[in-house]
Amino acid sequence: QKEVEQDPGPLSVPEGAIVSLNCTYSNSAFQYFMWYRQYSRKGPELLMYTYSSGNKEDGRFTAQVDKSSKYISLFIRDSQPSDSATYLCAMSVNNAGKSTFGDGTTLTVKP
Amino acid sequence: NAGVTQTPKFRVLKTGQSMTLLCAQDMNHEYMYWYRQDPGMGLRLIHYSVGEGTTAKGEVPDGYNVSRLKKQNFLLGLESAAPSQTSVYFCASSSIRGPGDTGELFFGEGSRLTVL
Repeated sequence: QKEVEQDPGPLSVPEGAIVSLNCTYSNSAFQYFMWYRQYSRKGPELLMYTYSSGNKEDGRFTAQVDKSSKYISLFIRDSQPSDSATYLCAMSVNNAGKSTFGDGTTLTVKP
Repeated sequence: NAGVTQTPKFRVLKTGQSMTLLCAQDMNHEYMYWYRQDPGMGLRLIHYSVGEGTTAKGEVPDGYNVSRLKKQNFLLGLESAAPSQTSVYFCASSSIRGPGDTGELFFGEGSRLTVL
């Protein structure tokens, strides 16, 4: 069993929709939770970061972490065609950067 | 503002050939990583380094070797390429700046390797 499981997708939504992306994990030692966004033929870039449990909001993006359920989510409000990308969840035990990634969910937002 | 630079960006090899991928970062980061990305399998860590002169195995190290002779460079070598090593390879770097820091990974744009 993988340490990090991510909803596989692909996901296709109309512009303006609310998008929910989700990951579960098995390692209770994970403390740092991240979402990376990867455009086609590019390297991933950090989108959101959360330490331990709780919510974090940045513009149209909200990251949620529920450590009791070992479940994390990324919500995108008012989705735009420019949000079309692959979203990767990542987790680490400490902030030393060595992260375990989910398989990614490819999102397409149609105009 | 180069960040993380990988060379070459594309390469086609025949089974059994050897090659080296070069990663260079200009952010003075202590940590460097090599990941491979395959369809439906996400990013898997091959090897990583926590400082100049150090290397460590990741999740899928077999068939690869690495060296970190200079802080800014991290080399990934394939001694005898196999079709199973056809993949997109990403180098990343990160730095620890203190408590509460994210340990964000900064990625290069990837190197696409095909082994025939």
